[in-house]
Amino acid sequence: QQQVKQSPQSLIVQKGGISIINCAYENTAFDYFPWYQQFPGKGPALLIAIRPDVSEKKEGRFTISFNKSAKQFSLHIMDSQPGDSATYFCAANSGYSTLTFGKGTMLLVSP
Amino acid sequence: DVKVTQSSRYLVKRTGEKVFLECVQDMDHENMFWYRQDPGLGLRLIYFSYDVKMKEKGDIPEGYSVSREKKERFSLILESASTNQTSMYLCASSTDQGMRGYTFGSGTRLTVV
Repeated sequence: QQQVKQSPQSLIVQKGGISIINCAYENTAFDYFPWYQQFPGKGPALLIAIRPDVSEKKEGRFTISFNKSAKQFSLHIMDSQPGDSATYFCAANSGYSTLTFGKGTMLLVSP
Repeated sequence: DVKVTQSSRYLVKRTGEKVFLECVQDMDHENMFWYRQDPGLGLRLIYFSYDVKMKEKGDIPEGYSVSREKKERFSLILESASTNQTSMYLCASSTDQGMRGYTFGSGTRLTVV
């Protein structure tokens, strides 16, 4: 029940296209859903996060869509750029529990 | 610029050695974490600490121990390194407020031969 399932494992998108990464969870107590971005040789960095009281959050080209009834949330990267090529992790937690991470998605944006 | 610093980027150790991985944060964060990252397995929590001298087991604590003698420093110890502990190790910290917003270090790539 603590799992966060992330898909796809890898993704290739043309420059200018939309990248979509999906996550699903089981634990209905989860109330915080961040996305982390990791470049090669670096640690993950917080990209954007959402709480379940809203269905969407947008920051620049990055948008989280949240579907509470389906227990799913997704990251959309609009106008994807080669500089967006990285590994993306979704995560979730509740209260004072530690973050549970998805297994990651390697995104490659081709020029 | 606030950050989490891991003392080594790359380490090569022999099987059976005792290995210390050090992590220091300068953000006065209460919570600190050790994860290992392996291809296809994502980030797995080894141990975490929510206060000085306090520690809690994560999902994969076997073969590891930790030490937190000062608030800013959290050490991961491999008591007797084995080849299956070859991995990327990531340290992170967060404030006391619900363990949100982790800040990660750049990682230590450990190879056990």
